[in-house]
Amino acid sequence: GAVVSQHPSWVICKSGTSVKIECRSLDFQATTMFWYRQFPKQSLMLMATSNEGSKATYEQGVEKDKFLINHASLTLSTLTVTSAHPEDSSFYICSATSKGYTGELFFGEGSRLTVL
Amino acid sequence: SQQGEEDPQALSIQEGENATMNCSYKTSINNLQWYRQNSGRGLVHLILIRSNEREKHSGRLRVTLDTSKKSSSLLITASRAADTASYFCATDGTGNTGKLIFGQGTTLQVKP
Repeated sequence: GAVVSQHPSWVICKSGTSVKIECRSLDFQATTMFWYRQFPKQSLMLMATSNEGSKATYEQGVEKDKFLINHASLTLSTLTVTSAHPEDSSFYICSATSKGYTGELFFGEGSRLTVL
Repeated sequence: SQQGEEDPQALSIQEGENATMNCSYKTSINNLQWYRQNSGRGLVHLILIRSNEREKHSGRLRVTLDTSKKSSSLLITASRAADTASYFCATDGTGNTGKLIFGQGTTLQVKP
């Protein structure tokens, strides 16, 4: 089946630094990718929708300057957490759909960010 | 924003028993999906049920959908210790974009 890969799977960084998380579709062209964040013992909250070649659409309450999303190719979307703070520590998960989406979504394994 | 609620929030049963989880949502949908998540891991897709379907089976899983009540249920029969995980329902709106809105989740513990 189709595979979505996230990298890194976990990252620890110092407060104030920026961290980039990659989401790659390995064997299909991902026309749309979605980014979610999940706090411990909570559900997934949609952060933004990213379409290849266009600006991401952010959900209400998500700071676009804080969470930079780039979807430069049909196989790669990146989420950059800028000037990270401890409250940004979370589990970030991406999902991807291909053209002609009929309900089949593919999720990455997630990236755990810890900001010290 | 969260689409809806799941209940129970936590469920603890013995191996071999059945587990039922319920999900309610607020807006019209194209489909509803159930996912499993083991602690600290990614999501595993379990089953998708479309808005024009009322029931679907996959192995030990049975999903029902009642669009008039905006609710769905997931039944796991003959549970196993390996079924211990969090279970989430997620709805895809009428735009059918893949933009899923997740429920709060049910944490299931199956005791051996």
